[in-house]
Amino acid sequence: QLVLTQSPSASASLGASVKLTCTLSSGHSSYAIAWHQQQPEKGPRYLMKLNSDGSHSKGDGIPDRFSGSSSGAERYLTISSLQSEDEADYYCQTWGTGFYVVFGGGTKLTVL
Amino acid sequence: QVQLQESGPGLVKPSQTLSLTCTVSGGSISSGSYYWSWIRQPAGKGLEWIGRIYTSGSTNYNPSLKSRVTISVDTSKNQFSLKLSSVTAADTAVYYCARENWFDPWGQGTLVTVSS
Repeated sequence: QLVLTQSPSASASLGASVKLTCTLSSGHSSYAIAWHQQQPEKGPRYLMKLNSDGSHSKGDGIPDRFSGSSSGAERYLTISSLQSEDEADYYCQTWGTGFYVVFGGGTKLTVL
Repeated sequence: QVQLQESGPGLVKPSQTLSLTCTVSGGSISSGSYYWSWIRQPAGKGLEWIGRIYTSGSTNYNPSLKSRVTISVDTSKNQFSLKLSSVTAADTAVYYCARENWFDPWGQGTLVTVSS
């Protein structure tokens, strides 16, 4: 069964960089994922699609500070030059068997 | 630029049917090979996919909700809809609609509370 695992929380200082991780369960290391951002009291926003080779395509208007990379079963979201508005929940998402949608549990990012 | 907006009652009584509509603006719901999805999020929790519809009318549902969910589309109104029957307090959540091309874009969400 496909599972996406994310750390519940992360923190980094204003102006610094942070790398969030989404881990695909065993046997699914070739899967592409998407990253979504949910700022407090708002709906989610699509950030990017991230392939297993690390190539990624971002949504309209997503700043260059957001980038993605991959290594094996891990998919990363790196945010550089952290700003206060980056404080949000970040979810990874993909599709499992039968075209069933799977979300990770989300990582709550705190900007210190 | 395509935008989505959820609408429907904010309060539903237990055992009744929750009904929501998602209106698509800025583009035709029939253009492109897109699926249109519903997702929900209980307060303080993560995202749960409910199901999807293609403009042909074909649907897929989350197995955990399949027996209670119906998603339909009205291309003439550029809308798609969700019905969830026999609701309980556990169905209280913010409900989102989204275009399922990597879930871009999302609607802003609507809170539905199940309470008598």
